[in-house]
Amino acid sequence: DIQMTQSPSFLSASVGDRVTINCKASQNINKYLNWYQQKLGEAPKRLIYNTNNLQTGIPSRFSGSGSGTDYTLTISSLQPEDFATYFCLQHNSFPYTFGAGTKLELK
Amino acid sequence: QVKLLQSGAALVKPGASVKMSCKASGYTFTDYWVSWVKQSHGKSLEWIGEIYPNSGATNFNEKFKGKATLTVDKSTSTAYMELSRLTSEDSAIYYCTRRRGSGYYVMDAWGQGASVTVSS
Repeated sequence: DIQMTQSPSFLSASVGDRVTINCKASQNINKYLNWYQQKLGEAPKRLIYNTNNLQTGIPSRFSGSGSGTDYTLTISSLQPEDFATYFCLQHNSFPYTFGAGTKLELK
Repeated sequence: QVKLLQSGAALVKPGASVKMSCKASGYTFTDYWVSWVKQSHGKSLEWIGEIYPNSGATNFNEKFKGKATLTVDKSTSTAYMELSRLTSEDSAIYYCTRRRGSGYYVMDAWGQGASVTVSS
């Protein structure tokens, strides 16, 4: 199975900050990497698919990059509604696997 | 619009089974795999497996083979997951989601989740 190591686990930031969240795969996942946002009591919501493609309706302050084993989600200027938990998902090979999550908290 | 509507919360006894549903609307049900994902309390997500409604073909996470059974009813555009021999480790929220190919339509839409609590 491909292991997804996500960092940091917790991130404390302020409105307006630029933040980055990372996922490292245990092997090449060929850019088959999605990012999700999850708020308490809600289902995950997809932000980015295949590394750098923005989901329809998601603000452009969200962006993704990476290749091979290393991937990054960037939020360019945090808004109050962005404080949530973020997960990465690799869908290069079965079983699909998720990162452990990054909880983004208000400083 | 695309919707995946899941069945409600369940409280079940250890050793029993539970069957949950995921009713799809707003798209052609038979064109997309339906995946199931487990989220234990306060933890990350685990992909359980998926089923292709058109053929009944499945792909499974080895960890969940023997635990989860996936079926569909094409006439009602509904996917089902049955979990057997339940223990406290099966207490979690279970989501259904969809996939077609490896691009835009990979886990783009999710059900609202179904909570399963295993307790005597």
